[in-house]
Amino acid sequence: KNEVEQSPQNLTAQEGEFITINCSYSVGISALHWLQQHPGGGIVSLFMLSSGKKKHGRLIATINIQEKHSSLHITASHPRDSAVYICAARNSDSGGGADGLTFGKGTHLIIQP
Amino acid sequence: GAGVSQSPRYKVAKRGQDVALRCDPISGHVSLFWYQQALGQGPEFLTYFQNEAQLDKSGLPSDRFFAERPEGSVSTLKIQRTQQEDSAVYLCASSLVGGEQFFGPGTRLTVL
Repeated sequence: KNEVEQSPQNLTAQEGEFITINCSYSVGISALHWLQQHPGGGIVSLFMLSSGKKKHGRLIATINIQEKHSSLHITASHPRDSAVYICAARNSDSGGGADGLTFGKGTHLIIQP
Repeated sequence: GAGVSQSPRYKVAKRGQDVALRCDPISGHVSLFWYQQALGQGPEFLTYFQNEAQLDKSGLPSDRFFAERPEGSVSTLKIQRTQQEDSAVYLCASSLVGGEQFFGPGTRLTVL
């Protein structure tokens, strides 16, 4: 079973700061997801990536397959970015065909004005 | 609707009751997943369907948990004889095969 570790577990920053959240996983994957969850809210998919880098607005996700590591960056952070950010790995060896994800515990991000 | 919907959004059950949680996936999405998220934790995989076939149920915590998707669209997760440790948010997600997963709002189950 894949082990997915995230760091930091909690992060408080000032508005405008550059934010980095890290994710490492233990076995090969076919894809890695970054998800956002607001308190009491549902989960929104931010990125799905299997190599390189993706950018959407102020969000950037990178992955290094060899090092089994991914990062999520937020530029010019804003209080509305406050949420839990979760990385989730889809194993490359899916056995019976399941695409189920293995999730990290999440990073609680608070951006203060 | 454009997204994944789940009902009910909140469910309170007495210990020992049976509950049924419904998921309506995005139209055309072949893959459907159920996840369980305990308070303060990341979600954990329960089971996966491709169309009506349940291809993986390795994450179901006990034989009290049962999921079905008889027509390859709507899915129901049933929990029999609920126990307090079943209290969690139950998330449903759907996708095209191998594609990005889209999540529903979840059902928050509280077992008293």
